[in-house]
Amino acid sequence: GDSVTQMEGPVTLSEEAFLTINCTYTATGYPSLFWYVQYPGEGLQLLLKATKADDKGSNKGFEATYRKETTSFHLEKGSVQVSDSAVYFCALRGMDAGNMLTFGGGTRLMVKP
Amino acid sequence: EAGVVQSPRYKIIEKKQPVAFWCNPISGHNTLYWYLQNLGQGPELLIRYENEEAVDDSQLPKDRFSAERLKGVDSTLKIQPAELGDSAVYLCASSVTGTSYEQYFGPGTRLTVT
Repeated sequence: GDSVTQMEGPVTLSEEAFLTINCTYTATGYPSLFWYVQYPGEGLQLLLKATKADDKGSNKGFEATYRKETTSFHLEKGSVQVSDSAVYFCALRGMDAGNMLTFGGGTRLMVKP
Repeated sequence: EAGVVQSPRYKIIEKKQPVAFWCNPISGHNTLYWYLQNLGQGPELLIRYENEEAVDDSQLPKDRFSAERLKGVDSTLKIQPAELGDSAVYLCASSVTGTSYEQYFGPGTRLTVT
């Protein structure tokens, strides 16, 4: 079945550091890929998405590129802020899965001033 | 636009007691999801509704869990009786059915079973 693997956290960075959170997936065909973010005490919010190979999703300074050859969708940001502290979830929607999402385990990011 | 509303936000009960969670999706969203999120893990789908019909409930433990979505709007998820292992966050999400979709999540209900 479909699965998503994320790097384990927590990831602790200083403000303005470069962020990478790795995500790899297993799925048949060409799934759609997503990053969701969960701020403390809030529900998950869609951060960005990519629906086909080589697409780049971007939002709020975050980027992720859909790499079919490496089955990866790594999240990057050039300069993190304290307000980016949250839990980040990589997810996929399989081609035959309707609207069903498969989530990774989440990666907690802590940004220190 | 109001988001997905869930209540209660927190619930503490003793094992073997019943508990119910309520969800009000975003207006116009005909697809509703209930997810289970254990500590340190990603959400796992329990049940998905298209309007009032449960179209995917394969992951719902039907011996103790039940759900309903009367009139295709609000939904209730019930556990009876609760077990210690049910302690988790229960998330509700909604979306518009179709090729262009995004799931909108509520803040969740954190259940503690003692």
